[in-house]
Amino acid sequence: DAKTTQPNSMESNEEEPVHLPCNHSTISGTDYIHWYRQLPSQGPEYVIHGLTSNVNNRMASLAIAEDRKSSTLILHRATLRDAAVYYCAVYTNAGKSTFGDGTTLTVKP
Amino acid sequence: NAGVTQTPKFQVLKTGQSMTLQCAQDMNHEYMSWYRQDPGMGLRLIHYSVGAGITDQGEVPNGYNVSRSTTEDFPLRLLSAAPSQTSVYFCASSPQGRNQPQHFGDGTRLSIL
Repeated sequence: DAKTTQPNSMESNEEEPVHLPCNHSTISGTDYIHWYRQLPSQGPEYVIHGLTSNVNNRMASLAIAEDRKSSTLILHRATLRDAAVYYCAVYTNAGKSTFGDGTTLTVKP
Repeated sequence: NAGVTQTPKFQVLKTGQSMTLQCAQDMNHEYMSWYRQDPGMGLRLIHYSVGAGITDQGEVPNGYNVSRSTTEDFPLRLLSAAPSQTSVYFCASSPQGRNQPQHFGDGTRLSIL
């Protein structure tokens, strides 16, 4: 199964872009990359997912390396409400998922 | 819409007791899964199901059983609770597996004494 690694914590200033990295060096060719975020005492919330191409939605952008061994979640303008723990996960064709231990994002006003 | 509903929200058990954590979704999703989250860590997959009647093991299945008799429900059974199973348990669902977003419940906080 793919293993994912993330930095423990990152800080950002409000209104600035944030780049959250994830390494998934053992990913297989058909595995999808997902990102979720979690607030205290809540379940994870979906942010974005992709396979090979970069993806954009209203919440964020996902940049996937050409060799797919890493990806970066991009929050274009961080707000205080973006402070959360962000998880990178790899989902296999068989239905299994492997989550990283998460990056705690602190947003400073 | 209710989404993914987990019950109970909190539970305290004694070592050796058994119990069932309930998970129900009203979105007609085929794929459902159970995770546990220990303090400061990510989610680890316990069991998952790609449709009614079909279940499979995840990363940490020992000590847990599941069944999927209907599309809506996916209960998780602890056979004989152990202190190592103290954790927060999350249920999730999606229309299908890897290529669609998962919807998570609010979790069940379980303590085993």
